Formats: sequence, structure tokens, C-alpha cells
Amino acid sequence: EGQLVESGGGLVQPGGSLTLSCAASGFSVSSKFMSWVRQAPGKGLEWLSLYYAAGGAYYADSVKGRFTISRDDSKNTVYLQMNSLTTEDSALYYCARDIGGISDTWGQGTRVTVSS
Amino acid sequence: SSELTQDPVVSVALGQTVRITCRGDSLRSYFVTWYQQRPGQAPVLVMHGGNRRPSGIPDRVSGSRSGSTATLTITGAQAEDEADYYCNSRVNRGDQLVFGGGTKLTVL
Repeated sequence: EGQLVESGGGLVQPGGSLTLSCAASGFSVSSKFMSWVRQAPGKGLEWLSLYYAAGGAYYADSVKGRFTISRDDSKNTVYLQMNSLTTEDSALYYCARDIGGISDTWGQGTRVTVSS
Repeated sequence: SSELTQDPVVSVALGQTVRITCRGDSLRSYFVTWYQQRPGQAPVLVMHGGNRRPSGIPDRVSGSRSGSTATLTITGAQAEDEADYYCNSRVNRGDQLVFGGGTKLTVL
């Protein structure tokens, strides 16, 4: 069926960097599209990035040029490298398994707080 | 601002029918996907391809689309339906996805 576990969140200073991990079990990330979505406290969902099974990636305008999605097939893990962080990036970050833009499996999220 | 627009709050009496709408030009070209999010939980897929239910979603939940408006209908609302609902679709550029602002459904 599939399970996702995010990790790597924490407290980071403005301007800093952080890399989030999303470990998959029950399926191979190499054969699926994978996405990242975030949710600021008390706010709605915001789509961030989609990684194609073939290796390409799409990004939301709000993170393009600052965030990079990648994958390690040997670890069955997807990553989100985040640079130049601002307080606006504070949120709960979810990864999800995607089938044609449909996120059918979600992790429980990892929290990122950007603060000095 | 979101390219998909949802009513922020909708309420329904227990056992009645409620319609949650999502409006956006991209819906003329792309299917909408709906997610349910209960407090403190991750989102759950409840409808895709406009009107396709994943396994485990009750058949009292249905979806439809007319022009640039998609609708998630819950017939005979139950207490467990109280949650936030988000629509999602590709946008007209085709290489991005976007969520609506979300609708908080209260079951009275």
C-alpha cells in the first residue's frame, strides 16, 4: 500500500538552509511521481514541487530557484533541499506519492521553523 | 492569491446534503482532485478525476464539474465529515499544481 515518513525539520535562522527527507516503504520511489506540499500554521495547503519518475521536476513560483527536489533510489528516499529560507517558509512539510498529479499517499509531515 | 477559489466556511445540518465548490479557469482544462484534512492529520484523497472515489471513501461523497466550477457533494452529512476540504488542479501553464484556499465544513 505504501507509507511515507518525513524527517529533517527543525529550527533554522533566516537565510539558512535545510534538507528534508521522505523515506518510502511498500513501493519504489523510482517508479512514482513524488511531491512536496507545505502548510503554514493555521493556513491552507501549498503545493511546492513534483518530481517525475523519469527524473524531471516542477516547482511552485514561490520556491523556484531556492528549493530543489531530488531522489536517491538506493535509499528509496526523496529529498527537498531548501535554501535562502525566510520566516514565510515556516510550515509543516508533507511529502506525497503522486499518480498523475493525484497525491494518494501522504506522510505525517515534518515541521520547519525559520526564526532568529 | 490562489488560482482556485473556495468558500472559506460551509455548514450543514447532520444528515443533509452539502456542496463544496471550487472555481478556477484551469478547471475547464484539467480535472480537479479533492482532499479532506481533519484537525491534526495529514490530508486524505477523497475524489479524483472529477468524480472518481478512492477505495474506502463512502459513496455518499461525489464529484462533478460544470465549466470552471467543480463541486464536491456530500449526501447525508455525518459528524465525521467535519473537516477542511481542499481542491487541487494543474494550472493553465500545465507544469504546476495549485490548491484552493480550503473550505472548513462544519456539521451542525
